[in-house]
Amino acid sequence: QKEVEQDPGPLSVPEGAIVSLNCTYSNSAFQYFMWYRQYSRKGPELLMYTYSSGNKEDGRFTAQVDKSSKYISLFIRDSQPSDSATYLCAMSRGSGGGADGLTFGKGTHLIIQP
Amino acid sequence: DAGVIQSPRHEVTEMGQEVTLRCKPISGHNSLFWYRQTMMRGLELLIYFNNNVPIDDSGMPEDRFSAKMPNASFSTLKIQPSEPRDSAVYFCASSRTSTQYFGPGTRLTVL
Repeated sequence: QKEVEQDPGPLSVPEGAIVSLNCTYSNSAFQYFMWYRQYSRKGPELLMYTYSSGNKEDGRFTAQVDKSSKYISLFIRDSQPSDSATYLCAMSRGSGGGADGLTFGKGTHLIIQP
Repeated sequence: DAGVIQSPRHEVTEMGQEVTLRCKPISGHNSLFWYRQTMMRGLELLIYFNNNVPIDDSGMPEDRFSAKMPNASFSTLKIQPSEPRDSAVYFCASSRTSTQYFGPGTRLTVL
């Protein structure tokens, strides 16, 4: 079993819909949780960063972490065609991810239909 | 401000040849990471450095892979000899605090 599981999709939704992306993990040592967005043939870029359990909101994006269930989510409200990309969840055990290697899910390919 | 710089952007080589990938981290960042991305395995950590010192190389697949960071502004990942299964996109990332910034990647094809 991989440490981090993520449905690869593709997930196709109409413009304006609410999108829900999820990951599960098996290692209870993970403390820092991130969501990266990756456009085709580009490097990943950080979208959201959370520590431990709870919610964090940034504009149209909301990240949720439930450590008891080992489950994290990313919600995108009012989805736009420009949100079409691959979304990768990532986790680390310590140092806030900055000085510690990240463990990634395989990514979910999201398509927003105009 | 320039981001993480990787070179070359594309590399096509034949099995058995030596391949060297290069990375220039963002100025002032003290952590550097090498990742590999394939369709089958996703994005995987190979090795990372803090203050130019290798911290964890447990992700390096075999002795054919080696990485160095001779100074704060340069790192290399070398594959010798290369094999077709090494074909992937190799990313370098750097950080100073909690955010890792990724470069554009090097797309390696080994024939």
